[in-house]
Amino acid sequence: AQSVTQLDSQVPVFEEAPVELRCNYSSSVSVYLFWYVQYPNQGLQLLLKYLSGSTLVKGINGFEAEFNKSQTSFHLRKPSVHISDTAEYFCAVTLPSNAGGTSYGKLTFGQGTILTVHP
Amino acid sequence: EAGVVQSPRYKIIEKKQPVAFWCNPISGHNTLYWYLQNLGQGPELLIRYENEEAVDDSQLPKDRFSAERLKGVDSTLKIQPAELGDSAVYLCASSSNLGQVYNEQFFGPGTRLTVL
Repeated sequence: AQSVTQLDSQVPVFEEAPVELRCNYSSSVSVYLFWYVQYPNQGLQLLLKYLSGSTLVKGINGFEAEFNKSQTSFHLRKPSVHISDTAEYFCAVTLPSNAGGTSYGKLTFGQGTILTVHP
Repeated sequence: EAGVVQSPRYKIIEKKQPVAFWCNPISGHNTLYWYLQNLGQGPELLIRYENEEAVDDSQLPKDRFSAERLKGVDSTLKIQPAELGDSAVYLCASSSNLGQVYNEQFFGPGTRLTVL
């Protein structure tokens, strides 16, 4: 089974400062990795994903994440945050389609990190 | 293109009452998911449908929860009877099945259930 741990439940930061939201995962097989954002009273929106290839992936709203297989991490970064980035962020994993069984497509989420950007 | 539609957005009921949630996926998406999101937690999959077939319902508490997707389009999730611990947000998501490496899941806004 796969699991995801988000190391910080809350991250406060000032506007225009850089931010890193940490995510570690556990899996005995290769996985796909994702970051989602959830604004208040809204559904989840995909920020970025890692399926294969370059370990540095870029997403929407200026976010990027780096896949580190040896450290089983997939940390999310943004060099300069805005007030509008205030939201909850979720890291998630799923098995590739060739993993077989019924687990394909099932997203396993971390507990979430609340990012609060202060003026 | 319309996104995933869920209704109601909010529901307050007393314990032991039944409740139902409705989801209409993005047009053409044949895979539909129901997730449970407890306060302060990430979503957890309850059930996944491929067209009208439930292909993964291992996490659905079948003693009180049921779901259906009769025509392979919209879906209903039901709880009967509701318990205090069922207070949570119920999210619906859908994805296409085009044989790609990964088919992105698109989420609805959720239904926030409060059981008193």
